[in-house]
Amino acid sequence: GAGVSQSPSNKVTEKGKDVELRCDPISGHTALYWYRQSLGQGLEFLIYFQGNSAPDKSGLPSDRFSAERTGGSVSTLTIQRTQQEDSAVYLCASSPNLAGRETQYFGPGTRLLVL
Amino acid sequence: GENVEQHPSTLSVQEGDSAVIKCTYSDSASNYFPWYKQELGKGPQLIIDIRSNVGEKKDQRIAVTLNKTAKHFSLHITETQPEDSAVYFCAASASKIIFGSGTRLSIRP
Repeated sequence: GAGVSQSPSNKVTEKGKDVELRCDPISGHTALYWYRQSLGQGLEFLIYFQGNSAPDKSGLPSDRFSAERTGGSVSTLTIQRTQQEDSAVYLCASSPNLAGRETQYFGPGTRLLVL
Repeated sequence: GENVEQHPSTLSVQEGDSAVIKCTYSDSASNYFPWYKQELGKGPQLIIDIRSNVGEKKDQRIAVTLNKTAKHFSLHITETQPEDSAVYFCAASASKIIFGSGTRLSIRP
């Protein structure tokens, strides 16, 4: 079956512009996560959606970052007024179960470059 | 807060030798410990996982050991091959999953 997909695969934008990154999780997965990975670094947790509960936004680095998940499926991560330090790979993952206690399946990521 | 420490950050081994990556965790309620492999330009992929009711799990050349008393777990790769070169992440999960900082493994031919 299809895995987690993300689009676009690469995005180049100018400082100050807004960007939207899309994640299509595996069908039926109730949990969805966004992570940021700077070059050569680990996974920085951003936000976590769990079923119909309020999302865990504790990892969002600033109010320029927001995310939504419509209909319990597709998610969009929005970065407003992008800065050069936002350049990174943004990874999405989904999980079949709640509370993050099951395997996460990662997408290929979106590579964002802010000029 | 919860924390997972991973060592070493980089590891270079001769092809055919074994590689060991170690992680410690702080939340004693953690009960699920997956390991992920990330190849260049790709997202992390699960390679093996272990739950807190077992002490060791093996899958061909890969094994993971868990010591709940000491709150540490390790990944062992035997007979390493060039395709094992990648970044490896450990993780521990209680109410949410926490990842280690990653180990860049290089296999020397």
